[in-house]
Amino acid sequence: EPEVTQTPSHQVTQMGQEVILRCVPISNHLYFYWYRQILGQKVEFLVSFYNNEISEKSEIFDDQFSVERPDGSNFTLKIRSTKLEDSAMYFCASSRGGFIGGELFFGEGSRLTVL
Amino acid sequence: RKEVEQDPGPFNVPEGATVAFNCTYSNSASQSFFWYRQDCRKEPKLLMSVYSSGNEDGRFTAQLNRASQYISLLIRDSKLSDSATYLCVVRFYSRLTFGEGTQLTVNP
Repeated sequence: EPEVTQTPSHQVTQMGQEVILRCVPISNHLYFYWYRQILGQKVEFLVSFYNNEISEKSEIFDDQFSVERPDGSNFTLKIRSTKLEDSAMYFCASSRGGFIGGELFFGEGSRLTVL
Repeated sequence: RKEVEQDPGPFNVPEGATVAFNCTYSNSASQSFFWYRQDCRKEPKLLMSVYSSGNEDGRFTAQLNRASQYISLLIRDSKLSDSATYLCVVRFYSRLTFGEGTQLTVNP
């Protein structure tokens, strides 16, 4: 069964460092997303991406964050100058369709710990 | 008002019990509705989409009432493996909004 894969599974970084989280979406999916979940809290939307551009972003997704699809398979989330409060599980997701019938399938997540 | 609000839980039920989860959403223009389940420290996994006509998948039945902005999930004959957090999810364009989840523990 096709799946979304994410690397690394866990990253520990020092405050102020840059982090890149990588995702390989399901191959025939066209829409890509990043969500995050702070420990004990709900899953929160960060950004959606379609046709090589951001379609929507949340209030959380400020200038510290960026996304990129550098080649035909990878989808990355870059966090510049990490803060303690960026510690969370970051989930990548993809869907075949947009807002109609667009069930999202999630990767296993990348746990980011900022010290 | 929260965008997606769920029963706070947790629910503890014996095996074989029937359990119902309730959810309300605030955006009347929301387009799609889902139930996901999340095991501890794992990714959310799609359980089922929810349609206005209601839909059933084995022991699971989901209902949507657009007029009341209300979504429900019924689990019949619950199994130990149903223990998880159940997430009500609402889609508006490209954004999924998650509820905080209701934790279910099924006891032997």
